Amino acid sequence: AQKITQTQPGMFVQEKEAVTLDCTYDTSDQSYGLFWYKQPSSGEMIFLIYQGSYDEQNATEGRYSLNFQKARKSANLVISASQLGDSAMYFCAMRDVYNQGGKLIFGQGTELSVKP
Amino acid sequence: DTAVSQTPKYLVTQMGNDKSIKCEQNLGHDTMYWYKQDSKKFLKIMFSYNNKELIINETVPNRFSPKSPDKAHLNLHINSLELGDSAVYFCASRPLGNRETQYFGPGTRLLVL
Repeated sequence: AQKITQTQPGMFVQEKEAVTLDCTYDTSDQSYGLFWYKQPSSGEMIFLIYQGSYDEQNATEGRYSLNFQKARKSANLVISASQLGDSAMYFCAMRDVYNQGGKLIFGQGTELSVKP
Repeated sequence: DTAVSQTPKYLVTQMGNDKSIKCEQNLGHDTMYWYKQDSKKFLKIMFSYNNKELIINETVPNRFSPKSPDKAHLNLHINSLELGDSAVYFCASRPLGNRETQYFGPGTRLLVL
């Protein structure tokens, strides 16, 4: 069975500094996708970044980058130059490419607080 | 132009009542989902429909019944509401393509008293 683990319930970071949010996953599938979502206090789910299991390069989207280490089964999110608006819950999620209807399996989430 | 919309946004009701949450997407996606986010913020898949056909039913109690009248709509009906049903329910849709994200609705906050 697939599983996502986020071991940091809460994180603090100073404004303008970089922060890494940890995510490890467990799957026996060869083809899968990894996602990060942001959920601000307003509640909506905002897609941030995607990494495919066969992607050779780490994904980047603006200030977000994904540190993908396949052998270690980790997909950490790096946010550079943190902003006050980055304060939110962050969820790592995984999807099996071929099976299970494309459902997302989520981690427990990490609550990030950015200090001015 | 809301991509995935849900109604109502908030729902407060008594234990034992029956309620429905509606979801509509105007993105032309074939696949739609219902997720439940509990009080600890944990998100879990409940159901998935592909072109009006049920493809995922994740051991959800029979009191929950999804209905998809067409591929743009996926409604969730809940019978005999219990305190433990209090949660945020998210509808989502997804286009074809392995790299595609799911597009989430704004969520419906259900409180059962």
